[in-house]
Amino acid sequence: EIVLTQSPGTLSLSPGERATLSCRASQSVSSSYLAWYQQKPGQAPRLLIYGASSRATGIPDRFSGSGSGTDFTLTISRLEPEDFAVYYCQQYGSSQYTFGQGTKLEIK
Amino acid sequence: QLQLQESGPGLVKPSETLSLTCTVSGGSISSSSYYWGWIRQPPGKGLEWIGSIYYSGSTYYNPSLKSRVTISVDTSKNQFSLKLSSVTAADTAVYYCARQAAGIVDYWGQGTLVTVSS
Repeated sequence: EIVLTQSPGTLSLSPGERATLSCRASQSVSSSYLAWYQQKPGQAPRLLIYGASSRATGIPDRFSGSGSGTDFTLTISRLEPEDFAVYYCQQYGSSQYTFGQGTKLEIK
Repeated sequence: QLQLQESGPGLVKPSETLSLTCTVSGGSISSSSYYWGWIRQPPGKGLEWIGSIYYSGSTYYNPSLKSRVTISVDTSKNQFSLKLSSVTAADTAVYYCARQAAGIVDYWGQGTLVTVSS
């Protein structure tokens, strides 16, 4: 089983700042099958990024994804108030889905 | 617009079987492009994939839950279902049904909280 470890656990930033979230896999992950989700309190997760770097429909271009192999990054270029939420990375391989434990992005 | 809606009891007793159904609207569950799955989230914790099913009935499950999980599909009703047996308090969670394509989860239901308690 591939384990995804996200860091940091909590990130405290101000609106307008740049956020960099990390997702590290215990073994190599196909970039085609690495995704990021945003979850706000009381809501279902929402797909942000798929294929490591492709934005899902309707996702603003301030969100970007990068990385390959075992190290992946979600970057939010300029934080908007609505971006403060929990973010999860997810991988798919060998007919299994696994999620990271999440990074909480909070207002400083 | 595709919509998924979970339904089922919100309270289940320990050792009993949790049963949920997901009704899909705005699209066909028989589409060859998608799998349909269940994901859960214990209160205050992260996401755990439970398992997935194709419209033909082909399934795959999380190995950690496989012995207790059954997912089935009813294409005539555009529904799929989850059964989780021998539940304990550790199975208390929000359960989401979802559409899966090419290794991603692109549509989610709103989620339903299931509490395991006597």
